[in-house]
Amino acid sequence: QSVLTQPPSASGTPGQRVTISCSGSSSNIGSKTVNWYQQLPGTAPKLLIYSNNQRPSGVPERFSGSKSGTSASLAISGLQSEDEADYYCAAWDDSLIGVLFGGGTKLTVL
Amino acid sequence: EVQLVESGGGLVQPGGSLRLSCAASGFTFSSYWMTWVRQAPGKGLEWVANINQGGSVKYYVDSVKGRFTISRDDAKNSLYLQMNSLRAEDTAVYYCAKIGYNGWEFDYWGQGTLVTVSS
Repeated sequence: QSVLTQPPSASGTPGQRVTISCSGSSSNIGSKTVNWYQQLPGTAPKLLIYSNNQRPSGVPERFSGSKSGTSASLAISGLQSEDEADYYCAAWDDSLIGVLFGGGTKLTVL
Repeated sequence: EVQLVESGGGLVQPGGSLRLSCAASGFTFSSYWMTWVRQAPGKGLEWVANINQGGSVKYYVDSVKGRFTISRDDAKNSLYLQMNSLRAEDTAVYYCAKIGYNGWEFDYWGQGTLVTVSS
C-alpha cells in the first residue's frame, strides 16, 4: 500500500528553524515531484511548495523544500507564530494512479 | 483573481446521493485539470478524483470508484462530483481545486462544502 509518512507533530520557538519530513517510495516521491500544502486552522489548504522546491508567488522565502531519493523535507526558518498550522506533503503515485497525501504534521509555535 | 466556490453539500442518509458543484472564475477553466479533495472531521487530506481538460480522462481513489463520478461543463466553468451510495465514512469537507502545470500541484482551492452522511 502506497503511503507518505510524516511525523504527526513538530514544534519550535519563534525565530527557530524547523523541518518536516515526508517519506515515500519509488512509486511516488522516488519518481515524482513533491508538493507541500499549509492549512491554517479553520481554512482551506494553500499550496506552499511545488515541484520539490519551488515557491508560488507570495510565499515567503523562509519556506523551502527539498527532495532526496524517496524522501522530501519542508524547512521553515525564522519561525513565526502565524506559521502554526497543519502541513501536508503530496505526490502522484504510479501504483495508486492518483495523488497521495501524507498524514499531515501539526506545527506548534511555542 | 482565481476563485473556486463549492456548493451542494448537506446532510444525506446512508445509501443516498448528492451532487457537488464548483463554480470557477478568474482563469481559463477549460485549460486545466481539476480535482476534488476531501477532509473528514479532524482528519487529514484525502485526494478523491481528477479530471482532465475536456473530461475524457478521470482518476479516482479506490474507495469511491463505482460510486462517485467527476465531471465538468466548460461552457459553465463548473466542476461536479456526483456521489451515490454514500456511506458514513464519506462524511467530510469536500474541496475543489485547480491543478497546475508542473507536477500535479493543487494551486488554488475553494473554501469547501460539508457533506454529512448520517441517519
